[in-house]
Amino acid sequence: DTEVTQTPKHLVMGMTNKKSLKCEQHMGHRAMYWYKQKAKKPPELMFVYSYEKLSINESVPSRFSPECPNSSLLNLHLHALQPEDSALYLCASSQDRTGPDYGYTFGSGTRLTVV
Amino acid sequence: AQKITQTQPGMFVQEKEAVTLDCTYDTSDPSYGLFWYKQPSSGEMIFLIYQGSYDQQNATEGRYSLNFQKARKSANLVISASQLGDSAMYFCAMREPQGGSEKLVFGKGTKLTVNP
Repeated sequence: DTEVTQTPKHLVMGMTNKKSLKCEQHMGHRAMYWYKQKAKKPPELMFVYSYEKLSINESVPSRFSPECPNSSLLNLHLHALQPEDSALYLCASSQDRTGPDYGYTFGSGTRLTVV
Repeated sequence: AQKITQTQPGMFVQEKEAVTLDCTYDTSDPSYGLFWYKQPSSGEMIFLIYQGSYDQQNATEGRYSLNFQKARKSANLVISASQLGDSAMYFCAMREPQGGSEKLVFGKGTKLTVNP
């Protein structure tokens, strides 16, 4: 299995809703990432988990709450979002940085619309 | 400071011709990795090619090759024999260490259009 699976593919939520994005990989990768991508912009890093511990938080607002229940699963909990949070949310995973070939594999993303 | 620079917002190429997408980078770390990704309108990020800073030869993957000029800090992507399906956004990215972990930092991207 060489894929990163993200669900749902599309999500529309109100500003008072609570929702979660899910990301799963079975490649044995030990680092997992959340990126946010606005239209016509490059992806911007939000969070990095390394060995199931949060290692990088790029000053993301607390209405975004990441969770890594195990080495294969990464969640992003959403609460009280704003319309400007509408974007494509990409999950990625990579091998340990000491490995011989640590590429990054991306999921197909969740297109989030906040209304 | 911007670490990855892609100076071509958009590029056009005729089908079956070759095209070069430019990328320059800035880092003081002697060990680094450079990536190129393709992003069609569907949104998925498709890995194309990787170049490590210590690799002696330029990376190649099928129709994709990377023109790596270390002294000039450039890592241009060359696509040979362009196909209509190559029309997409192309991102150059660099792996950057941060606090014992690392992250992938992207350039602004180049939108490639292949004309029939």
